[in-house]
Amino acid sequence: AQSVTQLDSQVPVFEEAPVELRCNYSSSVSVYLFWYVQYPNQGLQLLLKYLSGSTLVESINGFEAEFNKSQTSFHLRKPSVHISDTAEYFCAVSDRIQGAQKLVFGQGTRLTINP
Amino acid sequence: DAGVIQSPRHEVTEMGQEVTLRCKPISGHNSLFWYRQTMMRGLELLIYFNNNVPIDDSGMPEDRFSAKMPNASFSTLKIQPSEPRDSAVYFCASSLVRATGELFFGEGSRLTVL
Repeated sequence: AQSVTQLDSQVPVFEEAPVELRCNYSSSVSVYLFWYVQYPNQGLQLLLKYLSGSTLVESINGFEAEFNKSQTSFHLRKPSVHISDTAEYFCAVSDRIQGAQKLVFGQGTRLTINP
Repeated sequence: DAGVIQSPRHEVTEMGQEVTLRCKPISGHNSLFWYRQTMMRGLELLIYFNNNVPIDDSGMPEDRFSAKMPNASFSTLKIQPSEPRDSAVYFCASSLVRATGELFFGEGSRLTVL
């Protein structure tokens, strides 16, 4: 079975500062990894995903995450955040056989951007 | 294209009343998931369907909860009778069977049971 640990429940940062949201997972099988974002009063949206290939994946709004198999991590980073990035971010893992049927979410990290 | 559509967006009811939440998945998706989100427990998978058939309902809290999917474009989650501890945001999500893990979520139904 998979599990996901998001090490920080809340991360406050100043606008234009860099940010890293940490995610560690455990699994006995090969996995797919995801970051979802939830803006206030909305559902979750896929931000980026690692399926295979390059271990560094990027989103269209400047976030990136790197799959580190040896450290079983998939940390999310952005070099310069904006007020509009205020949201809750969920790391998730699924196994390569059952995919979405066995998607496991972390507890979420609330990112707050201060002006 | 229309996304996952949920109704109602907000529901306030009194303890003991029946609550029905509705979901229309994205056309062409054949997997549907019901999640519950609370501050205390985070995001919990309640049940999911493949091709309208319930596959795993182990996350359904108790017999007061039931879910149906009578056709590919509609699902309901019913709570009868409702209790204050059922207060949460309920999300419906859809995907293709065997998709890698990309789910498409609705905007949720916020339930408050007084």
